[in-house]
Amino acid sequence: NAGVTQTPKFQVLKTGQSMTLQCAQDMNHNSMYWYRQDPGMGLRLIYYSASEGTTDKGEVPNGYNVSRLNKREFSLRLESAAPSQTSVYFCASSEGRGTLETQYFGPGTRLLVL
Amino acid sequence: RKEVEQDPGPFNVPEGATVAFNCTYSNSASQSFFWYRQDCRKEPKLLMSVYSSGNEDGRFTAQLNRASQYISLLIRDSKLSDSATYLCVVNNLSGAGSYQLTFGKGTKLSVIP
Repeated sequence: NAGVTQTPKFQVLKTGQSMTLQCAQDMNHNSMYWYRQDPGMGLRLIYYSASEGTTDKGEVPNGYNVSRLNKREFSLRLESAAPSQTSVYFCASSEGRGTLETQYFGPGTRLLVL
Repeated sequence: RKEVEQDPGPFNVPEGATVAFNCTYSNSASQSFFWYRQDCRKEPKLLMSVYSSGNEDGRFTAQLNRASQYISLLIRDSKLSDSATYLCVVNNLSGAGSYQLTFGKGTKLSVIP
């Protein structure tokens, strides 16, 4: 099993450009998440999808949109990138059935917005 | 007040030392608690869940004090491979009825030969 995969690994954008970060999991998990991690800030939840067909805002959703394409895939879109969106983005998944379950993270996408 | 606060670190300890990390959380209704480990430029991975009665996994011991809203992680006989950032994580029920993890900023540990 590959677990959680993310593409691309690295990306450089200019201010105002758009892009989509892709995430896929092969563990048949119900819930998927997008986080960003900035130095000194810890991981912060952007959006999540508790189950296929649903999405909800997390702590820092502004400037982002998401699509739960199917049970396996959850994409994050930046419509008009800003330098403040320079960060490392992690996708995660979990079974979505209880409070003690583990979230499994992808390897991350490092994004630089100039 | 931050929801999850940790010792800022960094902690630099010699091999074989015992090191303890502390964490406090602000939401008294928090449901469950974890320690995650994150190696440099890698993704976070679950180290262990934290149970009310305390739990141990080899050299690692986690404790929870719900009354004080305090979580700890003790690492005995530190190894070079323990060098990483340790994230205190709390699971809360969101307004939408699902569970969300809140992460502390992490404490960096360097084990020195």
